[in-house]
Amino acid sequence: QSALTQPASVSGSPGQSITISCTATDNDVGDFNSVSWYQQHPGVAPKLIIYDVRIRPSGISTRFSGSKSGNTASLTIFGLEAEDEADYFCCSLKAINTYVFGGGTKVTVL
Amino acid sequence: EVQLMESGGGLVKPGGSLRLTCAASGFTFSFHTMSWVRQPPGGGLEWVSSIISTSSYKYYADSVKGRFTISRDNAKNSLFLHLNSLRAEDTSVYYCARRGNYLEGFDLWGRGTMVTVSS
Repeated sequence: QSALTQPASVSGSPGQSITISCTATDNDVGDFNSVSWYQQHPGVAPKLIIYDVRIRPSGISTRFSGSKSGNTASLTIFGLEAEDEADYFCCSLKAINTYVFGGGTKVTVL
Repeated sequence: EVQLMESGGGLVKPGGSLRLTCAASGFTFSFHTMSWVRQPPGGGLEWVSSIISTSSYKYYADSVKGRFTISRDNAKNSLFLHLNSLRAEDTSVYYCARRGNYLEGFDLWGRGTMVTVSS
């Protein structure tokens, strides 16, 4: 049982916005200020799309946005596109150089 | 080209051992904390282990502590994971991942190497 809970699946139509939540279920994730998000298409390695809760690495579309409220971090995808169909994982620093991942959310573009 | 390339995976019997290698290129390997992350077939990601740039500190998930050993050779731009006392539940794709400098996140991943533990 992961210390970070994500919905198993989220879906939306092209052009819509969707939000994926990531809720810390215990206190073992520190201040929860070091949350990152990863996109993974089938058969390939994960890709970092958000770090430190809300910062996009260079080259990542501005359609991806990260936020946090209390013990829940969120990833919002604006203007959903077919290429956004993938699995998404949140990750939090638990202690120095120690991490926990959420169970993952499958995003389906209808 | 900036990349990580894992090797060393394969089929091993329960109780057996394996050594995984991650070859880094295109960046200053010795500047970065490095990690291993695994993913069972059809499953989610699980952080396994991290090692800081100088090898002075190593960190392990509870699920592998005492069985796996992480190490690195900065002169050879290589990261290693020694897997001992393997169990069926260790069956996964093992990814090598780079922690970004001044950011909390794994900003570079290898393609992964498959480890299958089965009799």
